[in-house]
Amino acid sequence: DAGVIQSPRHEVTEMGQEVTLRCKPISGHDYLFWYRQTMMRGLELLIYFNNNVPIDDSGMPEDRFSAKMPNASFSTLKIQPSEPRDSAVYFCASSLGGLGYTFGSGTRLTVV
Amino acid sequence: AQSVTQLDSQVPVFEEAPVELRCNYSSSVSVYLFWYVQYPNQGLQLLLKYLSGSTLVKGINGFEAEFNKSQTSFHLRKPSVHISDTAEYFCAVSGEDSNYQLIWGAGTKLIIKP
Repeated sequence: DAGVIQSPRHEVTEMGQEVTLRCKPISGHDYLFWYRQTMMRGLELLIYFNNNVPIDDSGMPEDRFSAKMPNASFSTLKIQPSEPRDSAVYFCASSLGGLGYTFGSGTRLTVV
Repeated sequence: AQSVTQLDSQVPVFEEAPVELRCNYSSSVSVYLFWYVQYPNQGLQLLLKYLSGSTLVKGINGFEAEFNKSQTSFHLRKPSVHISDTAEYFCAVSGEDSNYQLIWGAGTKLIIKP
């Protein structure tokens, strides 16, 4: 199994641009999570899905953030428009039944 | 509601010395407990987990942890650390209180001194 695959690994964009982060979970996993990690705030849960349905998006910071999971093998996190304070490492994780997550390698986003 | 406290933000230790990283949790119901490790510039990797059964859990890279229900603790230990253990370690808990989603500690940076 290739694990959780995230793309791109690094993204540098200008303020105001749209950014799309992608995630392919482990086949068969029924939960998918999007996290953000910064030095100041640590690890924050943004949103999670169960069987492709968003369950809790209370961690999404603003309306500029949106996430979709059109099928069991793909999810996106979109930021539009991006701002410098969105700079962080964004992680996707998946799990079966919620008992222990497998994380992707993350996308390091820099908004200048 | 469940919560996790990692008592030390940083733990410096000499190479080949033993180490203990502390984790305490609060919960009104049964819990599942996890330790994750994050090496520099990488994602989080599961180190070990306690779901049920033996309270002493062995994980990868020579780490182990002991679930202590009376003290609501799940401390991580290694008898002899190596420079390659330099990383940040996260304790997490899940259970009925959190709808079985992980509640994370703030992390402990393990700093190995040569």
